[in-house]
Amino acid sequence: AQSVSQHNHHVILSEAASLELGCNYSYGGTVNLFWYVQYPGQHLQLLLKYFSGDPLVKGIKGFEAEFIKSKFSFNLRKPSVQWSDTAEYFCAVTNAGKSTFGDGTTLTVKP
Amino acid sequence: DAGVTQSPTHLIKTRGQQVTLRCSPISGHKSVSWYQQVLGQGPQFIFQYYEKEERGRGNFPDRFSARQFPNYSSELNVNALLLGDSALYLCASSFGQNEQFFGPGTRLTVL
Repeated sequence: AQSVSQHNHHVILSEAASLELGCNYSYGGTVNLFWYVQYPGQHLQLLLKYFSGDPLVKGIKGFEAEFIKSKFSFNLRKPSVQWSDTAEYFCAVTNAGKSTFGDGTTLTVKP
Repeated sequence: DAGVTQSPTHLIKTRGQQVTLRCSPISGHKSVSWYQQVLGQGPQFIFQYYEKEERGRGNFPDRFSARQFPNYSSELNVNALLLGDSALYLCASSFGQNEQFFGPGTRLTVL
């Protein structure tokens, strides 16, 4: 069965610090990869996605992620976080119509 | 454009009862997926429907069933409710098979 592992459950950063959230998945075949974000009081929304092509993908609000096939990883990065980035972040993998989510990372950015 | 809508917002049931949750996808989206999210975990995939046919099923008991209507709206039905069914139930719609747009969820409490 497919699984997704997010290594950090809770990350606390100060504004302007750099962010990297880890995501590893278990499935070795063709997958589509996503990062979703859930801001306080809001529902899940797409940050960025990878289907094929350039393994470095850029999403909204300055986020980017790098797909490394050999490591089964799809880590999320942002060079300089803002207080408004405080949210829960979920990595997800989709294959054959089935999506598997990680358990999420809560990011708290201190002003 | 309206996003994915779900009803009801909140629901309280007792053990053994049955519940039906409803979802209306974004206009033009033909695929609907259902997820269960318990506190502290990521969404767990329950079903995907595409063009009114079941295209994917997660690891949930037969007490869980769903259907999709000709207008692409969907219902999730859960029979013989257990305390452990208490969760946030999310619906997501997509135009193709991959990028999903999530609704706000239905919070189900089983007493």
